Amino acid sequence: NAGVTQTPKFQVLKTGQSMTLQCAQDMNHNSMYWYRQDPGMGLRLIYYSASEGTTDKGEVPNGYNVSRLNKREFSLRLESAAPSQTSVYFCASSEEYNEQFFGPGTRLTVL
Amino acid sequence: AQSVTQPDIHITVSEGASLELRCNYSYGATPYLFWYVQSPGQGLQLLLKYFSGDTLVQGIKGFEAEFKRSQSSFNLRKPSVHWSDAAEYFCAQSMEYGNKLVFGAGTILRVKS
Repeated sequence: NAGVTQTPKFQVLKTGQSMTLQCAQDMNHNSMYWYRQDPGMGLRLIYYSASEGTTDKGEVPNGYNVSRLNKREFSLRLESAAPSQTSVYFCASSEEYNEQFFGPGTRLTVL
Repeated sequence: AQSVTQPDIHITVSEGASLELRCNYSYGATPYLFWYVQSPGQGLQLLLKYFSGDTLVQGIKGFEAEFKRSQSSFNLRKPSVHWSDAAEYFCAQSMEYGNKLVFGAGTILRVKS
């Protein structure tokens, strides 16, 4: 089992460019999440999906969109990247009330 | 809104010494509490979790944590630290219904030989 995988590992964008971060899990979990990690702020929830076909906003959703493509895949899209979106992005998955399993992260720099 | 506080940004301990990392939570009659560890450049790995029952929880790598409702705390402990324990540690809380996590800001542990 690969667990949670994320692509790409690194990305550099210019302000205004768009991109999609991909996430997939092979643990048959219902719930999936996108977080961003910034120094001194821990991880903050951007969006989550409690089950296939549903998505909800987290703490910091502005500037992002998500798609729960199927049970395995949950993508995060930046339509017009801004320097404030420079961060490390983590995808996670879980069964309800249980631990979340995290991917290795995507390090994004917006110039 | 719920919040998780980790008062110590950095902690340095000598190898072989004991360790306690502090965590205070703000929400919930029935909090779900977690400790995660993150090595540099890596994702997060679960050390232990508390849902209910025994307030002293054992985790992986020799870590344990004690839930104290009266103090709203869930401190992480290890009796003897190894150099490989150097990492960043995050305390997190889940809402009573559902599984969204709120994380503390993290504590960076440095181990000196």
